[in-house]
Amino acid sequence: SQQGEEDPQALSIQEGENATMNCSYKTSINNLQWYRQNSGRGLVHLILIRSNEREKHSGRLRVTLDTSKKSSSLLITASRAADTASYFCATGNYDKVIFGPGTSLSVIP
Amino acid sequence: DTGVSQNPRHKITKRGQNVTFRCDPISEHNRLYWYRQTLGQGPEFLTYFQNEAQLEKSRLLSDRFSAERPKGSFSTLEIQRTEQGDSAMYLCASSLAAPGGVEQYFGPGTRLTVT
Repeated sequence: SQQGEEDPQALSIQEGENATMNCSYKTSINNLQWYRQNSGRGLVHLILIRSNEREKHSGRLRVTLDTSKKSSSLLITASRAADTASYFCATGNYDKVIFGPGTSLSVIP
Repeated sequence: DTGVSQNPRHKITKRGQNVTFRCDPISEHNRLYWYRQTLGQGPEFLTYFQNEAQLEKSRLLSDRFSAERPKGSFSTLEIQRTEQGDSAMYLCASSLAAPGGVEQYFGPGTRLTVT
């Protein structure tokens, strides 16, 4: 299946700490995307990394992609209480993406 | 607000009834996607359109589900003869079409409860 699988399923950290989430998938992909979902804002796109890229940054977010291992990681640095949400990786080909089950992140103030 | 909108936001229906949801995408987006999400899971792909053409429908999707995008703008998702297992959040997203893949913009969803 192309579907990504996030790890861990749940993560609880103190405010200010870094949070790392991983995503593994099984088939070749064109791109991999990370989304965040909380009750207040719904699903929001965070970052897209293409299969020929290895690392991307956006603000406090850092995403890596290792196509040889079929895995990606999302690092959130200096976490804030507002980062509390579910994070999903979505593996994409040219026309659609398939979402994994997500990682639930709790940032404790 | 020029984001993706969905109506209604909540729908409660009795088993066996038909329901229809509407999605209005971002106006310049030619792709529109429907997903279903249950508690604790990621969004599950249902179908997508490029302009008015329905390009793919999930093999997991029952024939009780049908979607249209008649003029390449808004879309409707109809569920006929609803079952309790249809209870879920139905999400719509839109995007531009691009070879390398692009981000999708999601609406707030329609929460369906089948009693």
